[in-house]
Amino acid sequence: DSGVTQTPKHLITATGQRVTLRCSPRSGDLSVYWYQQSLDQGLQFLIQYYNGEERAKGNILERFSAQQFPDLHSELNLSSLELGDSALYFCASSVASDSFSGNTIYFGEGSWLTVV
Amino acid sequence: AQKITQTQPGMFVQEKEAVTLDCTYDTSDPSYGLFWYKQPSSGEMIFLIYQGSYDQQNATEGRYSLNFQKARKSANLVISASQLGDSAMYFCAMRVIAGANSKLTFGKGITLSVRP
Repeated sequence: DSGVTQTPKHLITATGQRVTLRCSPRSGDLSVYWYQQSLDQGLQFLIQYYNGEERAKGNILERFSAQQFPDLHSELNLSSLELGDSALYFCASSVASDSFSGNTIYFGEGSWLTVV
Repeated sequence: AQKITQTQPGMFVQEKEAVTLDCTYDTSDPSYGLFWYKQPSSGEMIFLIYQGSYDQQNATEGRYSLNFQKARKSANLVISASQLGDSAMYFCAMRVIAGANSKLTFGKGITLSVRP
């Protein structure tokens, strides 16, 4: 158990709909990362938050948005869903943003999203 | 930009034997961390081992060791005494700290199958 909690574990929804994925980081971790894993694109970095503020943006579509709340949990909102958005979405967390020595990034179990 | 290359096709190993999974990386940053993650068929991403670019010794974690050759920019994972439960996808990843951006960049992964 990595200590990173993601809900829901599985989600099936229709095209055009909106879903919210939730992540609780490990206790004490200030950074939260969102990744998308699909068969054709591999693991793609979407976005990072550090202590409530956006720190880095990757290949995140405009239809997607995220935020990190004062209690450090994070949500990834996916709207106007398309078939191609079907993927495994990971949340990960780490202690600090700007120090890497021994600073492992731990992943949650992922949220499987299927768009039909 | 950072790049991780994992080019081995699916790997097979006999139970109880050792196996090496290859990873090469590219970065112009002098400070970086290298990670290996295991992803079994259930989907979760499990942290295995970490190596910092300034670490003098190769990292070891139980049956996992990282063969770090800085000049060659390689960070191969060695799994000793393979077990059936080691069958999974293995990802090499790198993290540099450049300003506020400390995301992980992943390779495409290698599938390992352990034969009884």
